[in-house]
Amino acid sequence: GDSVTQMEGPVTLSEEAFLTINCTYTATGYPSLFWYVQYPGEGLQLLLKATKADDKGSNKGFEATYRKETTSFHLEKGSVQVSDSAVYFCALSDPNNNDMRFGAGTRLTVKP
Amino acid sequence: KAGVTQTPRYLIKTRGQQVTLSCSPISGHRSVSWYQQTPGQGLQFLFEYFSETQRNKGNFPGRFSGRQFSNSRSEMNVSTLELGDSALYLCASSPDPVGGAETQYFGPGTRLLVL
Repeated sequence: GDSVTQMEGPVTLSEEAFLTINCTYTATGYPSLFWYVQYPGEGLQLLLKATKADDKGSNKGFEATYRKETTSFHLEKGSVQVSDSAVYFCALSDPNNNDMRFGAGTRLTVKP
Repeated sequence: KAGVTQTPRYLIKTRGQQVTLSCSPISGHRSVSWYQQTPGQGLQFLFEYFSETQRNKGNFPGRFSGRQFSNSRSEMNVSTLELGDSALYLCASSPDPVGGAETQYFGPGTRLLVL
């Protein structure tokens, strides 16, 4: 079945460092891809999404490009802030149903 | 628009009891999905309801059930609670994804502790 694999954490960075969190997927069809973020004690918030190959999702300085040839959707940010400390989840959704599959999550800690 | 709301936010139960969790989707959203989040298993899909019908189901035992009302509000029920059911239960809503996947919007979750 469809699945998502994302890099294991935790990831610890200094403020203003460059961030990459790797995400690859396995799917039989043409899924939509998402990054969600979960802050402590809260539910998941949509960070960005891409619905077809070569689409780039972006929000709050974060970007990810839907790469069909490498089945990847890596999350990047050029300069992280302390407030970006959270758990990040990569996810895919089959367009034929609403069954969303999540990666294991990557905890990011940004130190001042 | 108000976001997805879940009640209660926290719950403590003992083994063998049953529990009902409630979710109110974003106004106009007709699909409601439920997920279980644990440190060991991560986020796992429980089931999805649309128009009062269960449309998709994850790989959970029959002790986990749900329903959806005509106003799209949804409840999930867990019977005969086990210690391993301790988790954060997340509800997500989305518009009817006709012909395409839709973004799901998550509530804050209900944290269930089974003693």
